[in-house]
Amino acid sequence: DQQVKQNSPSLSVQEGRISILNCDYTNSMFDYFLWYKKYPAEGPTFLISISSIKDKNEDGRFTVFLNKSAKHLSLHIVPSQPGDSAVYFCAASARVRSGANNLFFGTGTRLTVIP
Amino acid sequence: ETGVTQTPRHLVMGMTNKKSLKCEQHLGHNAMYWYKQSAKKPLELMFVYSLEERVENNSVPSRFSPECPNSSHLFLHLHTLQPEDSALYLCASSQDFPSRVEYFGPGTRLTVL
Repeated sequence: DQQVKQNSPSLSVQEGRISILNCDYTNSMFDYFLWYKKYPAEGPTFLISISSIKDKNEDGRFTVFLNKSAKHLSLHIVPSQPGDSAVYFCAASARVRSGANNLFFGTGTRLTVIP
Repeated sequence: ETGVTQTPRHLVMGMTNKKSLKCEQHLGHNAMYWYKQSAKKPLELMFVYSLEERVENNSVPSRFSPECPNSSHLFLHLHTLQPEDSALYLCASSQDFPSRVEYFGPGTRLTVL
């Protein structure tokens, strides 16, 4: 069963407008959330993260919002630029038992920013 | 070289071949990972090594065999693969395990004929 879900496989946005990428999770033990960005022929690159003690984290044009009650997070990119066109992966982390893997990924959303 | 590097970047092999994927991290990290990325599926963790010891093996078929000779190098040995094993294989590293952030290599695009 998938614990991290990105229900929109693709998103197109005009340059200069806001891009909003969404992610839902099911495991209430998750306490740390990340967004990765992936260009073709490259590996995922860490973009921004948020701890569950916060509801917002901002880094330049990128802001991640966390709604714990809804088990939902979103990544806002504003203003969107053509270079932002990539696949964005949401990931979630939980400290459960020692030695267990704690990073779960969504299936990704392909963002296309139209010039 | 910086970050995490992987070779080869592309590999085509027959079902009876034996090949190896190589990963090297230049970040001084203590943990390394192999992931499989298939189309429309989440990244699947295959193996985790921490301080050169395997700490996670997520029910991966024995036709995939990892090797971690030191904390900077990780191999994935492949033999008698199936066409459904065709995927992007990503290597990652992190400072420690468990870790909040993992750093990925560019991946090896594997095609099994």
